Amino acid sequence: AQSVAQPEDQVNVAEGNPLTVKCTYSVSGNPYLFWYVQYPNRGLQFLLKYITGDNLVKGSYGFEAEFNKSQTSFHLKKPSALVSDSALYFCAVRLYGGSQGNLIFGKGTKLSVKP
Amino acid sequence: EAGVTQSPTHLIKTRGQQATLRCSPISGHTSVYWYQQALGLGLQFLLWYDEGEERNRGNFPPRFSGRQFPNYSSELNVNALELEDSALYLCASSSTTILGNEQFFGPGTRLTVL
Repeated sequence: AQSVAQPEDQVNVAEGNPLTVKCTYSVSGNPYLFWYVQYPNRGLQFLLKYITGDNLVKGSYGFEAEFNKSQTSFHLKKPSALVSDSALYFCAVRLYGGSQGNLIFGKGTKLSVKP
Repeated sequence: EAGVTQSPTHLIKTRGQQATLRCSPISGHTSVYWYQQALGLGLQFLLWYDEGEERNRGNFPPRFSGRQFPNYSSELNVNALELEDSALYLCASSSTTILGNEQFFGPGTRLTVL
């Protein structure tokens, strides 16, 4: 069965420090991987995706993610955190080559950036 | 370009009633997805529509149903509401069925069942 794991319910970072939000996945085929962010009482906003090619993907708001096939991971990173980055972050996976178009989401990681 | 829109923003119903939620995708997008975000349960996939047809369904009972109209807008119906149906219902759209295109989400409809 396909699944996505975000092992940390919450990540606390000081403003200006680097941040990492972890994600691992388990799928039977080759995945498309996504990161989304959700601010309070809002829908999800797309941050970045990995389809193929370079394992380091750059996205919106200075975020990037590194795809590691051997470790089946897709960790979200940012070199210098901002207080405004505080939000709920979701990792998601979708198979290609099949009929399924829906996303499978992790449980989400709450990022808290303190001044 | 207008984003995905959903209506109503909030919906309050009592147990046993029916709820209808609506979604308008981004112009040019033919796929519409519905997800349920319930407290403590994360984001669960409900339904996927493309070109007017149901393409896939999540692990939800049949009282969750929907449809997609010729203009690609979509409706989610929940019959015989139960207290545990209280959640944020998110609609998303994408441009084609080429897997890999990111989904764009609406602001959601907050359904409260009393």
